[in-house]
Amino acid sequence: RKEVEQDPGPFNVPEGATVAFNCTYSNSASQSFFWYRQDCRKEPKLLMSVYSSGNEDGRFTAQLNRASQYISLLIRDSKLSDSATYLCVVNSNQFYFGTGTSLTVIP
Amino acid sequence: SAVISQKPSRDICQRGTSLTIQCQVDSQVTMMFWYRQQPGQSLTLIATANQGSEATYESGFVIDKFPISRPNLTFSTLTVSNMSPEDSSIYLCSAIGLAGVYEQYFGPGTRLTVT
Repeated sequence: RKEVEQDPGPFNVPEGATVAFNCTYSNSASQSFFWYRQDCRKEPKLLMSVYSSGNEDGRFTAQLNRASQYISLLIRDSKLSDSATYLCVVNSNQFYFGTGTSLTVIP
Repeated sequence: SAVISQKPSRDICQRGTSLTIQCQVDSQVTMMFWYRQQPGQSLTLIATANQGSEATYESGFVIDKFPISRPNLTFSTLTVSNMSPEDSSIYLCSAIGLAGVYEQYFGPGTRLTVT
């Protein structure tokens, strides 16, 4: 079983839509969780850390569900500039990257 | 956040040769890593670069093929040795800062093509 699993998508949504990505992890002892954004031919950039209580940064909301071992990312009011691949990352003595979920926001 | 630079940004190399990639961070960091990313794939950790000692390699990666140095807290190199076309990939270094938070920051990557 993979350490981290993500739906690869692609997700194609219209501008202004709300879209949610989920990511499951296998190690219940995992300690920290992150969402990264990667644009085509660029390096991953940290979007946000995911805290147990959930956290919000503008249009982005991240949630952690330890009981079910998943993390989620919600993007509200999607912009064209949100088009990218979103990677979930789980740290359990090593960083494990999901395969990424591709998002395209359509005008 | 740390600012990380890598060089070269890209290279085309002949099989059998070696390439050394440099990674420079603008501030002291606790941990540095080297990853590989094939087109359309996620990142695969090659090794953790340890300051002043041998790197810690992940399964499937060995020191003879990917020697790594980290002489100080802000610099590391990865060498891809005796290259074959299968080594064509993007190589990324990353670092975790001193703030005690496990947030990784990535360099811009080195795009390697082996012919």
